[in-house]
Order: sequence, then structure tokens, then C-alpha cells
Amino acid sequence: QGQLVQSGPEVKKPGASVKVSCKASGTSITNSMHWVRQAPGHGLEWMGRVGASGGSSSSTQKFHGRVSMVRDPSTGTFYMYLNSLRSEDTAVYYCARGTALRAFDIWGQGTMVIVSS
Amino acid sequence: EIVLTQSPGTLSLSPGERATLSCRASQTVDRSNLAWYQQKPGHAPRLLIYGASNRATGIPDRFSGSGSGTDFTLTISRLEPEDFAVYYCQQYGNSLYSFGQGTQLEIK
Repeated sequence: QGQLVQSGPEVKKPGASVKVSCKASGTSITNSMHWVRQAPGHGLEWMGRVGASGGSSSSTQKFHGRVSMVRDPSTGTFYMYLNSLRSEDTAVYYCARGTALRAFDIWGQGTMVIVSS
Repeated sequence: EIVLTQSPGTLSLSPGERATLSCRASQTVDRSNLAWYQQKPGHAPRLLIYGASNRATGIPDRFSGSGSGTDFTLTISRLEPEDFAVYYCQQYGNSLYSFGQGTQLEIK
């Protein structure tokens, strides 16, 4: 079925930015790539999505202005950038492949982002 | 934004028993846009059910989904030891996706 491989853990200071990458291996992204986060001990939170070609993206109002989701056409790697980090952004960030039936059928292994002074 | 409320928060059952998990939406959800996931500690979620009632690839037939409108159910007919985990429902509507807060299925 293939897999999504994400970048490694990050430790950032408040106010900084983080970049998380996600690359498909043994599969392709034909619909969309989504980003979901999970704070320690909490549930899943959908952040937003980018189209398979990287041509369009959208995110929840909560992250408007702070998040950017893109695709590098030269490598096919997807990236999620989150700016102005605060302690509440400490979480595991997942990329997940979206399907035409609005479900997420393949998930990355997760990237832990810790925001601490 | 459509809010999904799952119940119960925690469900304590024994292997071999039947589990019934509920997911209620604040607005009508097209059943084709309702999915269920299983998550074990330290792991990414795994897709179980899409389109409210369709099992994903490789999911055992003891897992089934049903419902429509605002009320959806995930049923596990006979619990196996590996089924004890957290379960999330997820929907798409109004160009947004959202998850329920999860149901913890624990061994009694």
C-alpha cells in the first residue's frame, strides 16, 4: 500500500517557525495531502489540506495566517510550515493521504514538535 | 464547523464481547463523508471504515459501521485483545474536516 515518511522531531522556541516534511514511498498522492495534529494526551485535530499537485490549499480558521501547506514539484515532497509557535503547538504532527471519499487512508509516522523556552 | 461528539468517553469490556461506539454530529453529515479510525499508543491512526459502512483494506469483518444523518455507530462484534485502543470518527462537510474527541476502549 505504500507509506508516508515524515521528517524527524523538532524542538523550537516560542515565536519560531517549524517545517515538517512528508514524502510518499511506494504510493502516489492523487487527491490531496492533509495535516492532522495531536497534542499530548489529546485527540486528533485536522489542520488543513493541500491538493495533490500543490496548486490549492485550505486550513481551518484557527490556523489562518500561521500555517502554510505546499508541495515541492521537483521532489514530490509535501511540507507544512507553522509560524509564530507557542507552547500550545506542542504536538505530534501527521500527514495523511486524502481519498475521493473524504477519508485518510495512509498516514505518516508522525513528527513530534516541542515548543519550549 | 460540524462538531462530532463521541460516546461513551471510555468503554470497558472483555474480549469476546460486543462493542458499540456512537458518533453524533451537530449537523447532518452525508454518510459518504463519515469515517472511523483506530489508534494505538505511539502509533498513527488507522482507517477502519469509510463512507459510514465500508471496511478499509485489510480490516476484519468483525468491524462494521452504520448510521445516517447525525447518528453513526461503529460496532465490533467480538472483541479481540488487539482491538483495545482509541477510536475516532471523522467527517467532511462545508469544506472542512473534523474529528470526534475519541472513545477509549479498555479491557475490563
